[in-house]
This record gives sequence, C-alpha cells and structure tokens, in this order.
Amino acid sequence: EAQVTQNPRYLITVTGKKLTVTCSQNMNHEYMSWYRQDPGLGLRQIYYSMNVEVTDKGDVPEGYKVSRKEKRNFPLILESPSPNQTSLYFCASSLFGNRLGGEKLFFGSGTQLSVL
Amino acid sequence: GQQVMQIPQYQHVQEGEDFTTYCNSSTTLSNIQWYKQRPGGHPVFLIQLVKSGEVKKQKRLTFQFGEAKKNSSLHITATQTTDVGTYFCAPSGGYQKVTFGTGTKLQVIP
Repeated sequence: EAQVTQNPRYLITVTGKKLTVTCSQNMNHEYMSWYRQDPGLGLRQIYYSMNVEVTDKGDVPEGYKVSRKEKRNFPLILESPSPNQTSLYFCASSLFGNRLGGEKLFFGSGTQLSVL
Repeated sequence: GQQVMQIPQYQHVQEGEDFTTYCNSSTTLSNIQWYKQRPGGHPVFLIQLVKSGEVKKQKRLTFQFGEAKKNSSLHITATQTTDVGTYFCAPSGGYQKVTFGTGTKLQVIP
C-alpha cells in the first residue's frame, strides 16, 4: 500500500532532550516536506527536500533540522526541544514537487509532540 | 512568506445547509489546491485549480479559482455529517514551497 509512515504517533519529552521524528515513504517520491499544525495557524512548512541531499527552509525552520540521505526517508530532528515546539507534526511527499504538474501531497498520520 | 487568509476560521451549520470557505492571497498564484482533514486525521488532497476563473465540481463540492488568480472558494451544497472536518487551501506562487491557509473548521449539526 502506498503510504507515508511517521513515527512515533505520540511523543512526550522534556525541554532540551534531543529527539527525532521519522518519516518514510514507499512511493519513490522525490519531494518530501515537514509541517507543523497549530490551532488558528493552519499548516506551516518547516523544511522541504526536492531530492536526496537537497533540503531547504520553509516558513518556520528555527529549532529544527532535517536530513535526506536516502530518497525514502526524511527525519525531523529537534536538537534541543522547547515548549513552543509542542505541536502536531506532519510529513508529506509528492512525486517531483512540481505543483504545476498537478501533483498532490500525500501526508503521514501525524506526530503529536508535547515538550514539557 | 506568502500571505494567505482563509475565512471563516470556524463554521457551524445545520445538516442540509450550504457552506462556503474562502481563500485569499496577497499575490497572484500559479495554482491552488484544496485539502480536507477529518478530526484526528491527516490532510487529504481534494482538487487542484490552475486556470483563471476555473470551476470544478466533485458531487456536492464546487471549487472556484478567481479571475485574477488571487482567491479561491470551496462551496458545499446540502452539507452532511460526513463533511465535518477542516478544509485547507494550499496556494502556490512558485515551485517547491507549499503554503497552506489557516483552515476552516466545519461542524455539521445533525
């Protein structure tokens, strides 16, 4: 089944403790992206990647890192989490990231992160 | 980043009533996509609009793209409880960056 898999689904941590949220897709998509969702603010893009070893900042990249060493994986790293990073996180992918070609984004099920 | 306003933020309707959400951009858009997120779920693609003035229908859902390609709307006719969720527009002014609207949360009262 074609899907984007995120883990974990829920995560509670403490300020300053490094964490990684994993994202994997099995559709051979070149484009992958991370979003955070907060009430009243919608979905805001954190980082995106057009292909292996190619990453770029979205609208809210501060406090986050990403890597794209393999095509299928795009982990989100919080080196020193803070309470303002408490949020619902979504990973998404699309074939080439070419919106003009009518590509849609496929989303993972989300990771609810709480930083105490 | 690109400024995208989506209104209203919340809407409660009686089942059978119509519903409309609007997405407005400060800049001209290449295209716009719409997504639906059910409660507790993840966003799911609904449709993409590309041409100025374009209108597309999916059963009870009607999507429009403004003539100036700066705004879009989603209209649901005769809402049902299955329409409950948050609807997001996702305009594109360029290539890789995907900016989402703030979303409209629809509640349908049976």
